[in-house]
Amino acid sequence: DAGVTQSPTHLIKTRGQQVTLRCSPKSGHDTVSWYQQALGQGPQFIFQYYEEEERQRGNFPDRFSGHQFPNYSSELNVNALLLGDSALYLCASSLFGPLETSGNETQYFGPGTRLLVL
Amino acid sequence: GQNIDQPTEMTATEGAIVQINCTYQTSGFNGLFWYQQHAGEAPTFLSYNVLDGLEEKGRFSSFLSRSKGYSYLLLKELQMKDSASYLCAPSSNTGKLIFGQGTTLQVKP
Repeated sequence: DAGVTQSPTHLIKTRGQQVTLRCSPKSGHDTVSWYQQALGQGPQFIFQYYEEEERQRGNFPDRFSGHQFPNYSSELNVNALLLGDSALYLCASSLFGPLETSGNETQYFGPGTRLLVL
Repeated sequence: GQNIDQPTEMTATEGAIVQINCTYQTSGFNGLFWYQQHAGEAPTFLSYNVLDGLEEKGRFSSFLSRSKGYSYLLLKELQMKDSASYLCAPSSNTGKLIFGQGTTLQVKP
């Protein structure tokens, strides 16, 4: 049973560039959440995708966007990269279903993509 | 608003017991997760509490008091491999996890 996978593992970009990160959820999961983790900090929620739509969003600018595909995999896109975007980007998958039943499901994290913006 | 408070660092001795506290204020609170994160790795699930009380799972136990906005993670018979960051994460009723900054635990021989 494959766990959550992410690609690439590491990435170096320069300011102003755009980046796309990819995530494949754990088998049987339908929901993908993205988090940004700066060094020495806890993960910060970016957004969550369910049924190919952004279901909720954290306090991140519009430069951060995403997509979920019919096979439940997901992409995170960041435009106009800033130095402060350097971080570990974590994808977490879960089986949420409708919002009214949400909150109890465990989120399982992938290994992350470490992004360095120069 | 949302606020999570846990100690930044703790040190303990191999074989000992350590308690990591977490206080939180979050809107739409549903339950509380604890995750372990080794340096350079992804967080891994340790426990989830939705009801008040203590949940025991091997060497690790987690406690929740919903009325006090308080939780703790108890680690018994500490091993060197327990050196890691421990993340307290209240979950909202929309499934969003709000993480604290984490407690870095160093286990010494």
